[in-house]
Amino acid sequence: GAGVSQSPRYKVAKRGQDVALRCDPISGHVSLFWYQQALGQGPEFLTYFQNEAQLDKSGLPSDRFFAERPEGSVSTLKIQRTQQEDSAVYLCASSLVGSSGGGGNEQFFGPGTRLTVL
Amino acid sequence: GENVEQHPSTLSVQEGDSAVIKCTYSDSASNYFPWYKQELGKRPQLIIDIRSNVGEKKDQRIAVTLNKTAKHFSLHITETQPEDSAVYFCAANSNSGGSNYKLTFGKGTLLTVNP
Repeated sequence: GAGVSQSPRYKVAKRGQDVALRCDPISGHVSLFWYQQALGQGPEFLTYFQNEAQLDKSGLPSDRFFAERPEGSVSTLKIQRTQQEDSAVYLCASSLVGSSGGGGNEQFFGPGTRLTVL
Repeated sequence: GENVEQHPSTLSVQEGDSAVIKCTYSDSASNYFPWYKQELGKRPQLIIDIRSNVGEKKDQRIAVTLNKTAKHFSLHITETQPEDSAVYFCAANSNSGGSNYKLTFGKGTLLTVNP
C-alpha cells in the first residue's frame, strides 16, 4: 500500500516568506508526527497529533511555526516569515495507534521536504 | 526530558566484518527503542526495535541488545555488506503526560562497508 507522502519535496523560500508543507499519512493511522532534521543530525520532534487533536507542540521552535490536521488525516506545517535557521528537512511520520501508556509504536516516515531559506 | 547519546559518529568496516553501534539514554521510564536506517536523501526506515521487557532481539543479520540497568542499548550487524552503508539512528521514547509516543533520536552513525 501507499506509504507516507509529503509535498513539495523541495522548497526554496526567500527570507520572510511564508511556506506550507503537506503530509499525507498512511490511511487509517491515528498518530501523526512532525520532525525537523538539520544536516548531519537526527530528527528532532516538533509536534504530535492524535487524530485531529494536537496533543503536543512542545518542539515547535517559535510561534512562527504552526501545524494543523483538521480532519484527522492530512496535515500541514506552516512556517511564517521564514528565517535562514529554518533551513532543514521536515519529516512527517505516522503511526497506526494513538498514544498510550503501554509504550511507543513504529513510526513510518515520509520522504521529507527539504526547505532552503535564502 | 530524554537525552540520547550515540557512538561512534562514523564507522568504517570491511565487507563481512561485524559493526556495533551503541546508545545511551537518560529517561528510566523509556520502554521502546527503535533503530532506523537512512540512506542519503531517503526517508528513515525502521530496521529493528526492542521493548524493555526483553534484553535481546534478533532478525537475521541484525540484533539489538538492551541493558535497562545501565540505560544503554546496542545495534549489532553481522556479515556486513556494501548495501548496509547508510546512517543509522537509535531512538528512545519518553514519557510525557502519561503517553509514551515521543521519540528522541541520537545524532546518527555513518556506517561505511568497504568491499
